[in-house]
Amino acid sequence: NAGVTQTPKFRVLKTGQSMTLLCAQDMNHEYMYWYRQDPGMGLRLIHYSVGEGTTAKGEVPDGYNVSRLKKQNFLLGLESAAPSQTSVYFCASCTGGSGANVLTFGAGSRLTVL
Amino acid sequence: GQNIDQPTEMTATEGAIVQINCTYQTSGFNGLFWYQQHAGEAPTFLSYNVLDGLEEKGRFSSFLSRSKGYSYLLLKELQMKDSASYLCAVMDSNYQLIWGAGTKLIIKP
Repeated sequence: NAGVTQTPKFRVLKTGQSMTLLCAQDMNHEYMYWYRQDPGMGLRLIHYSVGEGTTAKGEVPDGYNVSRLKKQNFLLGLESAAPSQTSVYFCASCTGGSGANVLTFGAGSRLTVL
Repeated sequence: GQNIDQPTEMTATEGAIVQINCTYQTSGFNGLFWYQQHAGEAPTFLSYNVLDGLEEKGRFSSFLSRSKGYSYLLLKELQMKDSASYLCAVMDSNYQLIWGAGTKLIIKP
């Protein structure tokens, strides 16, 4: 039982390059999230999905796009990477959006944009 | 605006007790979570409070006062493996989680 798996774990990009982070969960969770974590700041929500085929913007969506074509996968895309997008990215999932819904996180993807 | 405040860093001694505070101002309240995050790893769930009072789970306890916008995480019989960051998060009226910046806890022998 893998839980939430993120790939890749590390990536270095040059400014202007594009890339996609993949998140896969095997817990049949409806809700999936992409966060970024920067030093001295709380986790910030980029985009989220409440079910297959749905996506919504979070707190810091600019410069990112997402897709949820299959229930188990949530992709985060950077079309034209910028140094400000250097961060650790976490994917998370849960059964629903209300109440005591505990998030299960992936191990994180460390992205550096030069 | 919405705000979660917690101390940036705390130091404690192995075997002792430490209390990590969290104060919040959010648009509505649908529960407060504590997560533990070891360096370079993912956050993992510790506790959830939605009603006032103390929730105990082994060496860890979490307290909530909704009227004061205040919570604390109490760690007893500290072990070296408790060295980690502790994240406080509040679920607001839209069921969105608002996260604090985390408290880095350093345990000394």
